[in-house]
Amino acid sequence: KAGVTQTPRYLIKTRGQQVTLSCSPISGHRSVSWYQQTPGQGLQFLFEYFSETQRNKGNFPGRFSGRQFSNSRSEMNVSTLELGDSALYLCASSLRQLTDTGELFFGEGSRLTVL
Amino acid sequence: QQPVQSPQAVILREGEDAVINCSSSKALYSVHWYRQKHGEAPVFLMILLKGGEQKGHDKISASFNEKKQQSSLYLTASQLSYSGTYFCGTINNAGNMLTFGGGTRLMVKP
Repeated sequence: KAGVTQTPRYLIKTRGQQVTLSCSPISGHRSVSWYQQTPGQGLQFLFEYFSETQRNKGNFPGRFSGRQFSNSRSEMNVSTLELGDSALYLCASSLRQLTDTGELFFGEGSRLTVL
Repeated sequence: QQPVQSPQAVILREGEDAVINCSSSKALYSVHWYRQKHGEAPVFLMILLKGGEQKGHDKISASFNEKKQQSSLYLTASQLSYSGTYFCGTINNAGNMLTFGGGTRLMVKP
């Protein structure tokens, strides 16, 4: 069965621009969560979507947003990019919501570099 | 609040054992363990629910002490394939998000 697919894998943007990242979960998985991974901060939770509704949100500014479509595919958007947004953005899918102790299946991530 | 993992890094010889600890200041509902190899996605190892249950996965096992809000991951007779960064993730009793620790880098040498 196909794994979690994230696109694009690599991208370079400049400060002030915006970016949209895409995540296709494993077929049948209804929960998609997003994480920012940096060497200094580790893995930080951004938000979780389940059945097209945002269920939980981490401590990130409003520039970070997301959505989930009826086919469970999810996108996250970062507006007005800052240098500190450079990171690996990981998406994970799960059969159940995070709080239902769902096992997460991670994609390989989208590496964003902001210049 | 982020759980605290210790040690931050450990180097082992093949066959040696290791313990990775994960502590939280909040009452926990569950603890999740993942391993990430360099350049790859994190991979699920196990989930422990409150109740002090111990789980095992081949030669990797874990315990969860609910009273101490602590979990430990035990790697027995380590193999080269165990190398990677181990993350614990916790969900507290408010149950609103999964928070990961800073990771423990494990290197197993021949």
